[in-house]
Amino acid sequence: GENVEQHPSTLSVQEGDSAVIKCTYSDSASNYFPWYKQELGKRPQLIIDIRSNVGEKKDQRIAVTLNKTAKHFSLHITETQPEDSAVYFCAASWSFGNEKLTFGTGTRLTIIP
Amino acid sequence: DVKVTQSSRYLVKRTGEKVFLECVQDMDHENMFWYRQDPGLGLRLIYFSYDVKMKEKGDIPEGYSVSREKKERFSLILESASTNQTSMYLCASSPGTGGRSEAFFGQGTRLTVV
Repeated sequence: GENVEQHPSTLSVQEGDSAVIKCTYSDSASNYFPWYKQELGKRPQLIIDIRSNVGEKKDQRIAVTLNKTAKHFSLHITETQPEDSAVYFCAASWSFGNEKLTFGTGTRLTIIP
Repeated sequence: DVKVTQSSRYLVKRTGEKVFLECVQDMDHENMFWYRQDPGLGLRLIYFSYDVKMKEKGDIPEGYSVSREKKERFSLILESASTNQTSMYLCASSPGTGGRSEAFFGQGTRLTVV
């Protein structure tokens, strides 16, 4: 089955700086890579996703890049703000149609004011 | 707005009890999932279902079973609860067809087995 590794497990950045979280996956058949944000005491929510036919996707201050050859993908947050503090999870999906999502272990991002 | 609702927010059960966690979604989604969330281990898939009465084991199915008799409802069953099943349980659903893959999560059930 799919295995997703995520690094780092914790990350602290100054407000206004950029944050990068990296994930690798094992199954070359995976074709869907979402990122979820989980604020304290709340449920995970999708913030951005990318499919394997695209190398990069942006949505305002967040972007995701995908390198299919190396089987890794990254989340980039620019101009970080205090409300970006949360746990971020990457995931990979390898079942076509029946999309079984395998998650990474999460990154706790802290924005220092 | 998609709603995934779990029957309990907090639950305390005794060792050996049979425990039912219920999840209902209101968006006619094909896929439903049960995850377990533990610090440092992320979200680990217990079981998922892509259709009524269909189920597949995830990464940590031991000690759990599931039931999906209706499309909107997916139940997780702990046959004989043990203390190592103390955890946060998250249900999720996703469309499964039509090119949309976003998974929507319930609010979670924090289960404590004593």
